[in-house]
Amino acid sequence: AQSVTQPDIHITVSEGASLELRCNYSYGATPYLFWYVQSPGQGLQLLLKYFSGDTLVQGIKGFEAEFKRSQSSFNLRKPSVHWSDAAEYFCAVGPEYNNNDMRFGAGTRLTVKP
Amino acid sequence: EAQVTQNPRYLITVTGKKLTVTCSQNMNHEYMSWYRQDPGLGLRQIYYSMNVEVTDKGDVPEGYKVSRKEKRNFPLILESPSPNQTSLYFCASSPRGVGLYSNQPQHFGDGTRLSIL
Repeated sequence: AQSVTQPDIHITVSEGASLELRCNYSYGATPYLFWYVQSPGQGLQLLLKYFSGDTLVQGIKGFEAEFKRSQSSFNLRKPSVHWSDAAEYFCAVGPEYNNNDMRFGAGTRLTVKP
Repeated sequence: EAQVTQNPRYLITVTGKKLTVTCSQNMNHEYMSWYRQDPGLGLRQIYYSMNVEVTDKGDVPEGYKVSRKEKRNFPLILESPSPNQTSLYFCASSPRGVGLYSNQPQHFGDGTRLSIL
């Protein structure tokens, strides 16, 4: 079965600095990959998704992610972090030929310093 | 406004007292699911439903029941809650599942925090 690893439990960056959140997946076929953000007290909101095609995916709020099959990674990036980006971020993977079987990573909590 | 609504948002109760968490979506989605979120474990799926009267177990179904009598509603039932079910619960929906046949992501509710004493 597929799985997702987010190696960093907690990351702190300064406002205006660049951000990269790591995500590694384990799956034998072509995965569907997602990044979600969860603000305190709220549900999950989709930032971006990768199904096929261009391996650099643009999302909302200035985020992007790059799918690297050779590294089994789908890292999330943002060139300049804003204080409002402080939240928990989840990477998720779903298989191509199963209509339901999404697995989430444990999450990375982002703190933004002034 | 398109949304997934969960009730209650917060509940403290005692072991063994049956409870139901309701979930309703207004987007005519076929697929609905329940997750629990625990620190360090991310979201784990409890049950899902591909359509009315079609439900199936996720990764952690023990101690939970669900029903899907109407398309818009997908309640989560804890017949005899225990302290290990203390968690943050999310309901989600999407048009047609989460795999090949859908390029639409899941929409999540705002969560229900359950504390079982």
